[in-house]
Amino acid sequence: EAGVTQSPTHLIKTRGQQVTLRCSPISGHTSVYWYQQALGLGLQFLLWYDEGEERNRGNFPPRFSGRQFPNYSSELNVNALELEDSALYLCASSFRQARDTQYFGPGTRLTVL
Amino acid sequence: QKEVEQNSGPLSVPEGAIASLNCTYSDRGSQSFFWYRQYSGKSPELIMSIYSNGDKEDGRFTAQLNKASQYVSLLIRDSQPSDSATYLCAVNSGGYQKVTFGTGTKLQVIP
Repeated sequence: EAGVTQSPTHLIKTRGQQVTLRCSPISGHTSVYWYQQALGLGLQFLLWYDEGEERNRGNFPPRFSGRQFPNYSSELNVNALELEDSALYLCASSFRQARDTQYFGPGTRLTVL
Repeated sequence: QKEVEQNSGPLSVPEGAIASLNCTYSDRGSQSFFWYRQYSGKSPELIMSIYSNGDKEDGRFTAQLNKASQYVSLLIRDSQPSDSATYLCAVNSGGYQKVTFGTGTKLQVIP
């Protein structure tokens, strides 16, 4: 069974640009979570989507946004990129019945120059 | 007080020894507890989940939960150099779904 997939693997952008990251959950999973992990730091919760709705949001500015599609895949959008947005962006998914058992994708490494 | 606390390490143990990783949490209503392993530059990988007080064993790994003391630990027996990674503790605080991750403990297994 395929795991969580993310694209792209790596991305280099400049300050002020916009970026879209994509995530496909494990088949049968309806919840998608986004996390930011800056170098040497812990996982910071960004967003949680379930059944197409945003269910919870971490302490990030509004320029971080996203959505979940009917097939449960998800996008994370970051506008007006800043240098400190450079990080590994991780997507995780879970079953509705076991929402808290999260399985992670390989991540997207974003570098902002 | 942080919601989930872990000693950042590094915790160094010799090959073949038992590595003990600890985690404390603040929400007494927490019901689900997880240990993830994360190699440098990679994504976290689920190792163990535990929901009830006591021990849960899976191969060389044992998770221990003490809700009264708000404490969860992970023991790794016969530690191998390949176990060298950062171990993340995660806690579901109940309610309308919130999983909080600790900052992780870096484990180094010395050959």
